Amino acid sequence: ETGVTQSPTHLIKTRGQQVTLRCSSQSGHNTVSWYQQALGQGPQFIFQYYREEENGRGNFPPRFSGLQFPNYSSELNVNALELDDSALYLCASSARLAGNNEQFFGPGTRLTVL
Amino acid sequence: AQSVTQLDSQVPVFEEAPVELRCNYSSSVSVYLFWYVQYPNQGLQLLLKYLSGSTLVKGINGFEAEFNKSQTSFHLRKPSVHISDTAEYFCAVRGPGTYKYIFGTGTRLKVLA
Repeated sequence: ETGVTQSPTHLIKTRGQQVTLRCSSQSGHNTVSWYQQALGQGPQFIFQYYREEENGRGNFPPRFSGLQFPNYSSELNVNALELDDSALYLCASSARLAGNNEQFFGPGTRLTVL
Repeated sequence: AQSVTQLDSQVPVFEEAPVELRCNYSSSVSVYLFWYVQYPNQGLQLLLKYLSGSTLVKGINGFEAEFNKSQTSFHLRKPSVHISDTAEYFCAVRGPGTYKYIFGTGTRLKVLA
């Protein structure tokens, strides 16, 4: 069974640029959530995708957007990067089971905005 | 709305000593509770979870936690820590039927030789 994988591992961008982060969900999982973890903080929920549609969103501006593909892999896109977007971006996948939606996290992508 | 408070940002403890990492939550509805561990440069790994039933929950690596509804707490304990337990620990809550996990700010456990 393959776990959750994310690419790239590290990324450096400058203010105003756009970035795309990728996530492959664990085998059999149809739900993907994205989190932003700033240095010294806990993960903050960005949004979740279920069967290729956004299924809920945290307190993040519209320049944070995503996609989920038929194979349940996912992308997180961030436009007009700001310095405060520097963080570890975590992807988590889960299987939509009643009463148990345990998430399995990937290793993350560390984004640095200069 | 739910929130999670981890009262200690850092906890130093000597090897083979017991440790307790504190977590308090706030919610107007019943919640599911989780503890995750994060090793340097890695993602989050689930240590244990409380969904329902027995309030004492046992997890991996010898950790356990007790759900206390009256005190709205879910403290994590280990009777004897190892150097390898040095990591960041996050408490999280999720409401039933919701998709969103709310995480605390984390507690850095440093085990000293």
